[in-house]
Amino acid sequence: DAGVIQSPRHEVTEMGQEVTLRCKPISGHNSLFWYRQTMMRGLELLIYFNNNVPIDDSGMPEDRFSAKMPNASFSTLKIQPSEPRDSAVYFCASSPPGAFNQKLFFGSGTQLSVL
Amino acid sequence: GQQVMQIPQYQHVQEGEDFTTYCNSSTTLSNIQWYKQRPGGHPVFLIQLVKSGEVKKQKRLTFQFGEAKKNSSLHITATQTTDVGTYFCAGSGSARQLTFGSGTQLTVLP
Repeated sequence: DAGVIQSPRHEVTEMGQEVTLRCKPISGHNSLFWYRQTMMRGLELLIYFNNNVPIDDSGMPEDRFSAKMPNASFSTLKIQPSEPRDSAVYFCASSPPGAFNQKLFFGSGTQLSVL
Repeated sequence: GQQVMQIPQYQHVQEGEDFTTYCNSSTTLSNIQWYKQRPGGHPVFLIQLVKSGEVKKQKRLTFQFGEAKKNSSLHITATQTTDVGTYFCAGSGSARQLTFGSGTQLTVLP
């Protein structure tokens, strides 16, 4: 079975540009999470969706960040405009339905560098 | 909000030595999960503990959940070079989302 698929694997952009990260969760999973990982702050939850509905976006840093999940098989995380401090690895993760706190299946991540 | 602290931040061991990482939560947890992230990789689920005082083993790895459900530990017996990576605990309280600890980066010297 395919795991969580993220694209692109690497993104290098200049400050002020728009960045869009993409995620395809595992088929049948109904929860999707976006995490950001940096050396300084570790793994931070940005937002999570349940059945395509955003449940908690309190971790989204500021209005420059937005996330959508138009259907059960696709989600995007957009940064506009990007800034150098957004440089990090962004992970998407999904989890199956059932009792809450199911285990997370992570994608390979997108390494974002904002120059 | 919920905080999950993990120590130590780094650990270097000689191959064959044991290793332990500790996780402490500011609040009572409904469950705790452990993940391993290899260098350059992504976190991979290892195990979930739910019951107070629970102990689970996976080969050389032993996981414990405290009686008060506020702390947990991961112990590796006789480390191998394949154990290299960062080990994260992740706890959840009343909300669905997990809060990750800061991780313990394990280096195993051959």
